Amino acid sequence: AQTVTQSQPEMSVQEAETVTLSCTYDTSESDYYLFWYKQPPSRQMILVIRQEAYKQQNATENRFSVNFQKAAKSFSLKISDSQLGDAAMYFCAYRSYNRNDKIIFGKGTRLHILP
Amino acid sequence: DSGVTQTPKHLITATGQRVTLRCSPRSGDLSVYWYQQSLDQGLQFLIQYYNGEERAKGNILERFSAQQFPDLHSELNLSSLELGDSALYFCASSVVQSGRAKGSEAFFGQGTRLTVV
Repeated sequence: AQTVTQSQPEMSVQEAETVTLSCTYDTSESDYYLFWYKQPPSRQMILVIRQEAYKQQNATENRFSVNFQKAAKSFSLKISDSQLGDAAMYFCAYRSYNRNDKIIFGKGTRLHILP
Repeated sequence: DSGVTQTPKHLITATGQRVTLRCSPRSGDLSVYWYQQSLDQGLQFLIQYYNGEERAKGNILERFSAQQFPDLHSELNLSSLELGDSALYFCASSVVQSGRAKGSEAFFGQGTRLTVV
């Protein structure tokens, strides 16, 4: 069974600085998707960024980018120019490509932005 | 707006009671997922339906059940409620995989906050 591990329960970063959230996963599959979801205080789940395992190029969405290391099964999220609105819980998630299967979430990292 | 609608938004009920949570997926999405999020916890996968049929099951209690109807909306039934069932229950939907489809992520509703007193 696939697992997703986020080893940092909480992190803090100064406004305008850069922060990296870590995620590792375990799978025997070769095709899959990885995601980072953001959950602000409103509790809404918001997709931040998506990575397809077959793509070597790291995904980027504005200030958000990932470092995808397939061999190491690592998928970190980098937030540049941190803003107060980035304060939230961030979840790393895995989904198998070959079946329309459930999305498995890590336990999350709570990110604090310091003004 | 994700396009996934969950009702009700809030629900307060007593222990021992039964409640039904409803989810309408995005138009065209055949898969529906249910997740439970207890206070300051991660999302625990409960169950997945695909086009009316159960596709995957997580750590769903026997007191809980779900179904997906022909119009693709889904209901999660929680019975013999206990204090520990108080949580935020999310429904999510996703498109069917077809080739390297771009739509691979699940879209989440705003959740139903259940409080058992």
